[in-house]
Amino acid sequence: NAGVTQTPKFQVLKTGQSMTLQCAQDMNHNSMYWYRQDPGMGLRLIYYSASEGTTDKGEVPNGYNVSRLNKREFSLRLESAAPSQTSVYFCASREGHNEQFFGPGTRLTVL
Amino acid sequence: AQSVTQPDIHITVSEGASLELRCNYSYGATPYLFWYVQSPGQGLQLLLKYFSGDTLVQGIKGFEAEFKRSQSSFNLRKPSVHWSDAAEYFCAVGSGGSYIPTFGRGTSLIVHP
Repeated sequence: NAGVTQTPKFQVLKTGQSMTLQCAQDMNHNSMYWYRQDPGMGLRLIYYSASEGTTDKGEVPNGYNVSRLNKREFSLRLESAAPSQTSVYFCASREGHNEQFFGPGTRLTVL
Repeated sequence: AQSVTQPDIHITVSEGASLELRCNYSYGATPYLFWYVQSPGQGLQLLLKYFSGDTLVQGIKGFEAEFKRSQSSFNLRKPSVHWSDAAEYFCAVGSGGSYIPTFGRGTSLIVHP
């Protein structure tokens, strides 16, 4: 099993550009999450999907959109990137109230 | 609302010394408790978890944690730290009524040779 995979691993954008971060899990988990991690701020939840067909805002959703494409895939879109969105982005999946499984992260820089 | 506090932002220990990382939570019922480790440039990996039963739980890499309901704590311990344990450690709490676990801010462990 690959677990949780994320693409790309690194990305540099210019202010105003758009991009989509991809996430896929092969563990048949119902719930999926997108977090951002910034120095000293811990993990902050952007959006989550409790099950296929549902998505909900987390703590810091502004400037982002998500799509739960199917049970396996959960993408995060930045429509117009801003320097404040420079961060490391993690996708995670989970079944019920068990532990989360995290991807390796996407390191995004917005110039 | 549930919350998690990790009082120590950084902890420095010598290799071979014992380690205790503190975690305090706020939640009304019995929580689901987790410790994760994040090595530099990596995602988070589960060290151990507590749902119910024996309050002393064993995890991977020689770590253990003890759930103390009276103190609302779930401290992580290791009897002898290795240089490879240098990493960021996160405590998290979940509940039966929410799909969203709450994470602490993390504790950065520095290991001196």
